[in-house]
Amino acid sequence: DAKTTQPTSMDCAEGRAANLPCNHSTISGNEYVYWYRQIHSQGPQYIIHGLKNNETNEMASLIITEDRKSSTLILPHATLRDTAVYYCIEGSGYALNFGKGTSLLVTP
Amino acid sequence: GAGVSQSPSNKVTEKGKDVELRCDPISGHTALYWYRQRLGQGLEFLIYFQGNSAPDKSGLPSDRFSAERTGESVSTLTIQRTQQEDSAVYLCASSLVPSGQVGTEAFFGQGTRLTVV
Repeated sequence: DAKTTQPTSMDCAEGRAANLPCNHSTISGNEYVYWYRQIHSQGPQYIIHGLKNNETNEMASLIITEDRKSSTLILPHATLRDTAVYYCIEGSGYALNFGKGTSLLVTP
Repeated sequence: GAGVSQSPSNKVTEKGKDVELRCDPISGHTALYWYRQRLGQGLEFLIYFQGNSAPDKSGLPSDRFSAERTGESVSTLTIQRTQQEDSAVYLCASSLVPSGQVGTEAFFGQGTRLTVV
């Protein structure tokens, strides 16, 4: 089973920031936090990952708390195309263990 | 090619028949993964390859499922004597190195939608 906890669903208005939370209270010191998303009928797409420091790329920002027990993925200006299921994953072992994720609906 | 390629994209088979699903990973990617996604569910890990070896087969649901990888490239997932509960999208992913361990991204194919009737 996935070791992360995410809300089942969230809504966000187009053009606003989408803040997706994730709890990963069992994460160990050398495990990364990964975020992927899956748009309907497509394979998952990598968004971002981090270990301790906050990270930013062209898609999103990742804020990791100092104790590393939770993180927030920020899509700064959500568009309709960002409607998807967002997965927060603790990276351990060989493979990524996907949970149920958060279904984000971006509305006009 | 530029990405992970899976074939066929759709497969309808009769219960009891065998099926083979193919995955062409990104060239040079040593790690390859198979996942299963049932309708409305999350991704279920099936098997991981490092090169041509499969150190982790723990996710294969039964002995009807098997997978192989040759030439550190193409992988085939075989399901024997298919059952209706095997109906799902089967996703393949590859990464340069094991993605869970060292913080690299995994690239996914579009999946094979398997329907057992």
